[in-house]
Amino acid sequence: ETGVTQTPRHLVMGMTNKKSLKCEQHLGHNAMYWYKQSAKKPLELMFVYNFKEQTENNSVPSRFSPECPNSSHLFLHLHTLQPEDSALYLCASSQERAGGAQDTQYFGPGTRLTVL
Amino acid sequence: GQNIDQPTEMTATEGAIVQINCTYQTSGFNGLFWYQQHAGEAPTFLSYNVLDGLEEKGRFSSFLSRSKGYSYLLLKELQMKDSASYLCAVEDSNYQLIWGAGTKLIIKP
Repeated sequence: ETGVTQTPRHLVMGMTNKKSLKCEQHLGHNAMYWYKQSAKKPLELMFVYNFKEQTENNSVPSRFSPECPNSSHLFLHLHTLQPEDSALYLCASSQERAGGAQDTQYFGPGTRLTVL
Repeated sequence: GQNIDQPTEMTATEGAIVQINCTYQTSGFNGLFWYQQHAGEAPTFLSYNVLDGLEEKGRFSSFLSRSKGYSYLLLKELQMKDSASYLCAVEDSNYQLIWGAGTKLIIKP
């Protein structure tokens, strides 16, 4: 496997379910990101991890819970979601988070989440 | 506040040239990125500009003017596969990427 992978690619869940999204990067990067992408809106940064430490949480509701066990893996745990949380969830990685070209982010294919 | 503006949608003809503009107002500047995103797929990196001027990569070129808060992506010899959304993003002084909403480019035969 190369690049950034995400599973599952599609997820349908009820508001009372608990599920997890998984991201894995094979690029040797040290920073990983979760984004939410809704139709016709800019990408919304949710969480950032740099060298396994969470460095940003952009006012994300607590029903979204990230986990970064190592520099290659990132999870997003979901519980008690709302229908408005339906979106494409993208994971990305970069060499690190220090400004400039090394912050170029490489994205996974995303998980299309539908909350019923 | 921080803001990135780019046109919502553009249409061009196969074989032609198209220029997609991006203007920005951010707290500091550490570089500007262009990404391509085909429908239902991940954004893929196209270019990075940090100094004023034109960067050329094959059929794609990206221009930056920091004094004007302006960039454009130039696509030459358009092909049908270039139909996609093009995202402009600026890294601010806190290393945060500020994203535009994207420009949907439609290529017609």
